[in-house]
Amino acid sequence: AAGVIQSPRHLIKEKRETATLKCYPIPRHDTVYWYQQGPGQDPQFLISFYEKMQSDKGSIPDRFSAQQFSDYHSELNMSSLELGDSALYFCASSAEGGTNYGYTFGSGTRLTVV
Amino acid sequence: GDSVTQMEGPVTLSEEAFLTINCTYTATGYPSLFWYVQYPGEGLQLLLKATKADDKGSNKGFEATYRKETTSFHLEKGSVQVSDSAVYFCALSDHNFGNEKLTFGTGTRLTIIP
Repeated sequence: AAGVIQSPRHLIKEKRETATLKCYPIPRHDTVYWYQQGPGQDPQFLISFYEKMQSDKGSIPDRFSAQQFSDYHSELNMSSLELGDSALYFCASSAEGGTNYGYTFGSGTRLTVV
Repeated sequence: GDSVTQMEGPVTLSEEAFLTINCTYTATGYPSLFWYVQYPGEGLQLLLKATKADDKGSNKGFEATYRKETTSFHLEKGSVQVSDSAVYFCALSDHNFGNEKLTFGTGTRLTIIP
């Protein structure tokens, strides 16, 4: 079965650079969620999109932005990177915005800021 | 706001021992409850879930019962194996249509020794 695809799997950036993370949801899933997991931490919700509109916002820094495109894939843009942004970034997708509809996580993008 | 309190780790057990990982929650609504497992270097995998009071989620020998009266969702397994070594996250979701973000506990690292 198709899963949530995240790219790249690993990314190394220098401080103050920009990074773009991509998430391709399961076909026919219309909702995407982004989470950030710092080293040894629990995943923290960043932002979500339902039908290409932002549906909720969590602890996402102003330096970060995201959007969901017409094909439902999503991109997380991170600017002016800081060392503290080093983390595992997960994307999850679901149908009709619900955990009863196949809420599935991708394998994550590990971002290292040096 | 919603929160999840999870038993602190790490937990080390011998193979075939009985496992309990405690989880309690605080929520304004009537959440769904989940246990996710994360193996080293991998993403989050749904282990089991329960959507209403007294529901029992089960998978791969793990069980957890949704106890509304004690706001708990403790994870249990009767006989653990080395392959169960991983980090376990308790989580809850609210039920806002089109936006169902997960709130995670801090995770419990489980190590099973032969």
